[in-house]
Amino acid sequence: DAGVTQSPTHLIKTRGQQVTLRCSPKSGHDTVSWYQQALGQGPQFIFQYYEEEERQRGNFPDRFSGHQFPNYSSELNVNALLLGDSALYLCASSLGGAEPIPFGPGTRLTVT
Amino acid sequence: GEDVEQSLFLSVREGDSSVINCTYTDSSSTYLYWYKQEPGAGLQLLTYIFSNMDMKQDQRLTVLLNKKDKHLSLRIADTQTGDSAIYFCAERGGANNLFFGTGTRLTVIP
Repeated sequence: DAGVTQSPTHLIKTRGQQVTLRCSPKSGHDTVSWYQQALGQGPQFIFQYYEEEERQRGNFPDRFSGHQFPNYSSELNVNALLLGDSALYLCASSLGGAEPIPFGPGTRLTVT
Repeated sequence: GEDVEQSLFLSVREGDSSVINCTYTDSSSTYLYWYKQEPGAGLQLLTYIFSNMDMKQDQRLTVLLNKKDKHLSLRIADTQTGDSAIYFCAERGGANNLFFGTGTRLTVIP
């Protein structure tokens, strides 16, 4: 039973570029949430997708957008990258309100 | 809004017990979680507790919840060097999103 998976593991981009990160939820889970973890900080909630719609959003600009596919996998897109977008991006999946929330291994994004 | 606070550092000797503390603000939180993060890695779910429970034990881990004081603690018995990591407390918001503390760095001294 596969847990949450993310790709790629690492990514290096230049300021102004665009990036797409991918996440596959744990088998049986239908909700995907994305988090940004800056160095030395706790993860911050970006947004959550359920039934292919953005259900909830944290305090992140519109440069951050996402998508959920019919198989529940999800993408996080960040446009016009800034140096401050350098972080570990984590994906979590869940099913309803009675499940534990596992995380994927994360994608480390470095913006130069 | 939700605010989760943890002390930044904790050092213990190998074999001793570790207690990591956390305070949270949202009294309507249904679940509270403890995650472990090793250097360069993602978050590993250690344990979680439902808000109507006072205590949960899972092998070496004991979680205590004081809802009145909005205080959560994680006790690790017989702490080992492999337990050295950053431990995050998180509360679950109404939309099933998580609010994290800044993490407690646990250092186990051999």
